Amino acid sequence: AQSVSQHNHHVILSEAASLELGCNYSYGGTVNLFWYVQYPGQHLQLLLKYFSGDPLVKGIKGFEAEFIKSKFSFNLRKPSVQWSDTAEYFCAVSNDYKLSFGAGTTVTVRA
Amino acid sequence: DGGITQSPKYLFRKEGQNVTLSCEQNLNHDAMYWYRQDPGQGLRLIYYSQIVNDFQKGDIAEGYSVSREKKESFPLTVTSAQKNPTAFYLCASKEDRSSYNSPLHFGNGTRLTVT
Repeated sequence: AQSVSQHNHHVILSEAASLELGCNYSYGGTVNLFWYVQYPGQHLQLLLKYFSGDPLVKGIKGFEAEFIKSKFSFNLRKPSVQWSDTAEYFCAVSNDYKLSFGAGTTVTVRA
Repeated sequence: DGGITQSPKYLFRKEGQNVTLSCEQNLNHDAMYWYRQDPGQGLRLIYYSQIVNDFQKGDIAEGYSVSREKKESFPLTVTSAQKNPTAFYLCASKEDRSSYNSPLHFGNGTRLTVT
């Protein structure tokens, strides 16, 4: 069974700081990779996804993620965070009809 | 507006009672999913359905049951056999059931508390 690991449970940053959230998965075959975000009081929504092509993918709100196949990783980055980026971030992997999620990382951005 | 509606938002039940959580979508999506979200554990798949009248167990199906009699509806029953039912339950749907890279659309969730 595939598994998804997110390295940090809670990250606290100041505005304008850079953010990087780690994500590793265990499955060795072809995978599709996603980052979802859950803002306070809102439903989960897609931030970005990768399924083929350029391993550096850009998503909404200035986020990007890099797929490194040799490291089984799909880390999320943002060069300069804003207070509104405070949310919970989930990495997810799919190699069939099911989507497996990591445990999530809570990001708190201080003004 | 198209979307996924989960009701109620908060649900309280006594231990030993079955309870059914509603999930309705008007997105005309074929595939629907139920996840359970617990602090520090992320989302875990309970059941999923690729098409009407068909569904499969996810990773933590024990103590749960589902039905898929209509395309737009995928109710989840939490039975008294579920050892730790208090959790936040999320319903999701996917437009293309045959695509592995099609993203999920989520509802707002139901928080179930069993005492």
